[in-house]
Amino acid sequence: DTGVSQDPRHKITKRGQNVTFRCDPISEHNRLYWYRQTLGQGPEFLTYFQNEAQLEKSRLLSDRFSAERPKGSFSTLEIQRTEQGDSAMYLCASSWTSGSGGTDEQYFGPGTRLTVT
Amino acid sequence: AQSVAQPEDQVNVAEGNPLTVKCTYSVSGNPYLFWYVQYPNRGLQFLLKYITGDNLVKGSYGFEAEFNKSQTSFHLKKPSALVSDSALYFCAVRDVMDSNYQLIWGAGTKLIIKP
Repeated sequence: DTGVSQDPRHKITKRGQNVTFRCDPISEHNRLYWYRQTLGQGPEFLTYFQNEAQLEKSRLLSDRFSAERPKGSFSTLEIQRTEQGDSAMYLCASSWTSGSGGTDEQYFGPGTRLTVT
Repeated sequence: AQSVAQPEDQVNVAEGNPLTVKCTYSVSGNPYLFWYVQYPNRGLQFLLKYITGDNLVKGSYGFEAEFNKSQTSFHLKKPSALVSDSALYFCAVRDVMDSNYQLIWGAGTKLIIKP
């Protein structure tokens, strides 16, 4: 296992189309995070999972955004009815957190760059 | 509210000189602090973290950072800069008591090392 992987690396879509991104975390990690990053900004937290449970989703940008992690392994982020403002880099990260807490050192994938035309 | 400030959008340093990238934070409780680096077209890479203990933290690629509680700062440093250190650097903080383990990120500082 060489790290967090994301697919695709680049996605160009037309406004109004749906897109889905995939993230494969480091295999022994139990937490998985999705972020959005726009040019000149730090990552913006969207949602995260612990195993298959989505523990925080209030930061998803709108109801057009949804994420799943059905078996506690890979995750998908879907954006429905894309808008030009959705153009950004979407980052996935994973970490290991024990039940007694953890320092949550997150490891990031290379990101998926979305361009909505 | 939790926040992170990186007051410099860009830092220019000559190769071989020491470098400092500044970060200040605000959390309601005790902080966990992180530095990440981002090279063009690549994901964020973890550099170092402060959890507890020694205020001077050593990390990857010869970087270190000093935690200063009274000044709520966590500046990134390196004694001798390399051209290959040129990249975008992000500081992040988490409140120890935040059960969501949510990281709050600074806007990033572009570090340019000139030969």
